[in-house]
Amino acid sequence: NAGVTQTPKFRILKIGQSMTLQCAQDMNHNYMYWYRQDPGMGLKLIYYSVGAGITDKGEVPNGYNVSRSTTEDFPLRLELAAPSQTSVYFCASSTPEVNEKLFFGSGTQLSVL
Amino acid sequence: GDSVTQMEGPVTLSEEAFLTINCTYTATGYPSLFWYVQYPGEGLQLLLKATKADDKGSNKGFEATYRKETTSFHLEKGSVQVSDSAVYFCALGNRDDKIIFGKGTRLHILP
Repeated sequence: NAGVTQTPKFRILKIGQSMTLQCAQDMNHNYMYWYRQDPGMGLKLIYYSVGAGITDKGEVPNGYNVSRSTTEDFPLRLELAAPSQTSVYFCASSTPEVNEKLFFGSGTQLSVL
Repeated sequence: GDSVTQMEGPVTLSEEAFLTINCTYTATGYPSLFWYVQYPGEGLQLLLKATKADDKGSNKGFEATYRKETTSFHLEKGSVQVSDSAVYFCALGNRDDKIIFGKGTRLHILP
């Protein structure tokens, strides 16, 4: 059982470049989330989705876009990378009940230079 | 909005010492409360949870009690081990389907 799979694990971008962080889960979870983790700052919610075709903004959505065309996939798009987006990005999924646990991917370390 | 505040780290203890990591929350209604742990180079994983007032979550020797009167969910362990060295996150989940995390507390256990 693969759980939540994120790719790539590491990436270096130049300012202004674009990229997509991939996230896939094989647990048939309805809920999926994108977080960023900055050093000493904990996790901030970027976007989340409660099902295919439904997405909503979290605390820090500016500079990012998401789509949810299938239950399994929840890609995160950076259109014009900026140094402020240097961070570790985590994708997570869960079942619809709010007190169910989040399953996290292993993260993508992104540097924008 | 909802928020979680936890004690600043790093926390450094000797093996077999008693551990407390404080966590307080602000939320409307009756949120579920969680402690997550992040080992070096890994994603977060759920350590324990509590879904209503006075519930006690426990796992791997760690405990936390949901205290509605003080809006707290402090993490405790009676005797820590070197393998407990990690970053610990307090979090809450509410009816709007979002999980809100605290900033994390880094724990170092010395042999």
